[in-house]
Amino acid sequence: GDSVTQMEGPVTLSEEACLTINCTYTATGYPSLFWYVQYPGEGLQLLLKATKADDKGSNKGFEATYRKETTSFHLEKGSVQVSDSAVYFCAPVEGIKAAGNKLTFGGGTRVLVKP
Amino acid sequence: SQTIHQWPATLVQPVGSPLSLECTVEGTSNPNLYWYRQAAGRGLQLLFYSIGIDQISSEVPQNLSASRPQDRQFILSSKKLLLSDSGFYLCAWSLKNIQYFGAGTRLSVL
Repeated sequence: GDSVTQMEGPVTLSEEACLTINCTYTATGYPSLFWYVQYPGEGLQLLLKATKADDKGSNKGFEATYRKETTSFHLEKGSVQVSDSAVYFCAPVEGIKAAGNKLTFGGGTRVLVKP
Repeated sequence: SQTIHQWPATLVQPVGSPLSLECTVEGTSNPNLYWYRQAAGRGLQLLFYSIGIDQISSEVPQNLSASRPQDRQFILSSKKLLLSDSGFYLCAWSLKNIQYFGAGTRLSVL
């Protein structure tokens, strides 16, 4: 089955610093790739996604590019803010409804941005 | 628009007591539904998913069960809670590969 390796946190940054969270995956097919974000005390929200090779997902200043050759989907932001403090989850999913469209979540990376 | 409701938001239960967490989805039909658990400081673990009424798949053996009595209702239950059942429980639904999460239930078993 699918699996995902995500860099461990916590990652502590100062405001306006650059952020990169590495994510690599293994999959039997060609999954869609997602980043979800969990703000303190809340559920997960979709941050961005990419559905095929070389696609770039972007949202709220974050970007990630679907790299099929390296099976990676690293999350990047050039200048973080305190409000970006959250836990970030990488997740590939193979869209087979009969199998439940299951996501395989990484362990999550906690990011703390200090003013 | 679609919404997902999950309750209660927090719950404190003694060891050995029963559990029932409810999740309902509005604004969509025949969604895939999911229950996840997030232990303190750890990632998400998929517990159950459902592709239709009374169709439940269990991902890991455990002390919990799930039911889907209606198309948009997903219930997580236990007959006797264990200390290790403490955690943050998240319900989600999906359409076209994107999952949408509820606000979560924080369960403390004492």
